[in-house]
Amino acid sequence: EVQLVESGGGLVQPGGSLRLSCAASGFTVSSNYMGWVRQAPGKGLEWVSVIYSGGSTYYADSVKGRFTISRDSSKNTVYLQMNSLRAEDTAVYYCARHPSSGWPFDYWGQGTLVTVSS
Amino acid sequence: EIVLTQSPDFQSVTPKEKVTITCRASQSIGSSLHWYQQKPGQSPKLLIKYASQSFSGVPSRFSGSGSGTDFTLTIDSLEAEDAATYYCHQSSSLPRTFGQGTKVEIK
Repeated sequence: EVQLVESGGGLVQPGGSLRLSCAASGFTVSSNYMGWVRQAPGKGLEWVSVIYSGGSTYYADSVKGRFTISRDSSKNTVYLQMNSLRAEDTAVYYCARHPSSGWPFDYWGQGTLVTVSS
Repeated sequence: EIVLTQSPDFQSVTPKEKVTITCRASQSIGSSLHWYQQKPGQSPKLLIKYASQSFSGVPSRFSGSGSGTDFTLTIDSLEAEDAATYYCHQSSSLPRTFGQGTKVEIK
């Protein structure tokens, strides 16, 4: 059974950092495309980042230069390192899988809440 | 960036009624358009992939159609459990984008 479990969210001050983790089971992270999608409170879905099976990474303009996506194959886990956090980064962050380049996100985690506030 | 515009933003529907939600893309995306259902407090769930293909386990009352720039999600005979927000999503190019969502309420 495919499962994605996010962790690492919490309250952080503006300018601070946080690292989110997404532990996968039922499939191999390094053989799939893994992405992060966020949802601000009461708002819609926003694509944040993706790491391809080959290792290439891409980011939304709103987070480029501040966020870094990575993976650890030995732990079958994907990470999102978030630096220089802003109030507008406050959201539930979902980890999601898509099996190849053009595929939809077919499995999602339950999400982890990041709150950026002083 | 490809902009996806859904209509309507909100729909109040009685059970067994038919629901139609449209999604328009700012440029042609072929059939790289997918539909998700999100209930309060839950993560999105994939309903339809590539405009018209049902995802595994999705009830047959959900269907999709369209190509190019205009797409439709149809819910035949709405059930109470279908109360949710529905999003379209394109995978044609990066950045991937989502429609703003359509909230479906049960009268």
